[in-house]
Amino acid sequence: AQSVAQPEDQVNVAEGNPLTVKCTYSVSGNPYLFWYVQYPNRGLQFLLKYITGDNLVKGSYGFEAEFNKSQTSFHLKKPSALVSDSALYFCAVTILGGGGADGLTFGKGTHLIIQP
Amino acid sequence: KAGVTQTPRYLIKTRGQQVTLSCSPISGHRSVSWYQQTPGQGLQFLFEYFSETQRNKGNFPGRFSGRQFSNSRSEMNVSTLELGDSALYLCASSVVGTAAYEQYFGPGTRLTVT
Repeated sequence: AQSVAQPEDQVNVAEGNPLTVKCTYSVSGNPYLFWYVQYPNRGLQFLLKYITGDNLVKGSYGFEAEFNKSQTSFHLKKPSALVSDSALYFCAVTILGGGGADGLTFGKGTHLIIQP
Repeated sequence: KAGVTQTPRYLIKTRGQQVTLSCSPISGHRSVSWYQQTPGQGLQFLFEYFSETQRNKGNFPGRFSGRQFSNSRSEMNVSTLELGDSALYLCASSVVGTAAYEQYFGPGTRLTVT
C-alpha cells in the first residue's frame, strides 16, 4: 500500500523568506509524486510532478520540489514567499498499476501561512 | 479551454436518500477520477473511469458507484446516504489514464447530509 506523510499541519513564513513544505512517501515500486494547492472553496490546482529524471522539479508560481530517493522525500520549496501563496498544500503519490492508472494517495495537507 | 465542471456545487440531502453528482472533464480528457474530501479523513480516492470502464476503485462501500458516458462525462451516485457521507466530492480529469499525467480538478460538489 502507498502512503504519504506531511508532518506539519501548518507552516508559518514571513513574506520574502524561503519556504519549505515537507513530504515523505512510502510505495512499493517507483513513485510518481505530485504537489497540489487548494485555495478556499476551490478545487485542487496542479503545481508540479516528479516522474523520472532530474531530482529537482520546477513548477508553477515559482515553486520547486526535490526528489530524494534515499530519504523517500519530496519537499516543496520556494525561494521567496508571497502572501498570495497562503493556501492548503497537498503532496500525493501513485505508481503505475497493471493496465491503468492508480488513484492518487494524498497526504493530510499542510496549511501554509505567509505573514506580511 | 474550459476546465473541469461539476454540478451541482452544493447539495443538501436527508439520511437514506440517494444522490447523483455530475462531472464534465476538460475537452479531450478521457480519464475521470473521483475523490472524497473530509476534515477527518482528508482526500480519498473513490474510483477512476477511462473509456466508459471503471479501472480502479478505492476502499469505499458499494453504496458509492459511478459511470462514464461516451463523451467522457461522468456521474457518481451515492445510495442510502449516511451522515458520514457529508463531504466535498472532487472530480479530476486527465488526458489519458496513466499515473504519469497530472489530474485537473473541478471545484467540487459540497454534499451535506442531515
